[in-house]
Amino acid sequence: AIQLTQSPSSLSASVGDRVTITCRASQGFSTSLAWYQQKPGKAPKLLIYDVSSLQSGVPSRFSGSGSGTEVTLTISSLQPEDLATYYCQQFNSYPITFGQGTRLEIK
Amino acid sequence: QVQLVQSGGEVKKPGASVKVSCRASGYTFTSYGISWVRQAPGQGLQWMGWINNYNGDTKYAQELQGRVTMTTDTSTNTAYMELRSLRSDDTAVYFCTRGPYCSGGTCYSQYFDPWGQGTLVTVSS
Repeated sequence: AIQLTQSPSSLSASVGDRVTITCRASQGFSTSLAWYQQKPGKAPKLLIYDVSSLQSGVPSRFSGSGSGTEVTLTISSLQPEDLATYYCQQFNSYPITFGQGTRLEIK
Repeated sequence: QVQLVQSGGEVKKPGASVKVSCRASGYTFTSYGISWVRQAPGQGLQWMGWINNYNGDTKYAQELQGRVTMTTDTSTNTAYMELRSLRSDDTAVYFCTRGPYCSGGTCYSQYFDPWGQGTLVTVSS
């Protein structure tokens, strides 16, 4: 199974900050990687698919990049509503796996 | 709009079974698979498996093989997930989610969108 490790596990940032979350894989995943946002008590929401494609309706301050075994999710200017836990997911091979999550707090 | 609506929460005793439903609307049901993901309290997301709504093919996570069955009813656009021999560590919120997109027998990128609201299954004696 491809293991995904996110860093950091948690972070605190201020409104307007640029935030970057990294996802490292134990094996290559081609471009088969997605990012999700999960707000407290809610279902996850797709933000980014195929490493860097922005899902329709998602604000443009979210972006994804990377290749091989490491990708990043960047929030260019943090907003109060971005308080959430963020997960990466690989779908290159079974079993589909998720990172352990990054909890983002607003200072 | 595309929507997945799940059945309500359940409380079960160890050893029992649970069956969660997921009713889809707003898109062509047979053009997408339905995947199931669970989340134990305070924990991350765990993929359980998926069903191809066009032909009924399934793929399950190895650790759940033999205990989980995913089915689909195309007449009502509803997918089902049954988990048997429940244990306390099966206590979790169970989500259904749309994906992957399938066409002409080929299924594509298995990312998930949208998600159902979640169903809390509590296993307790």
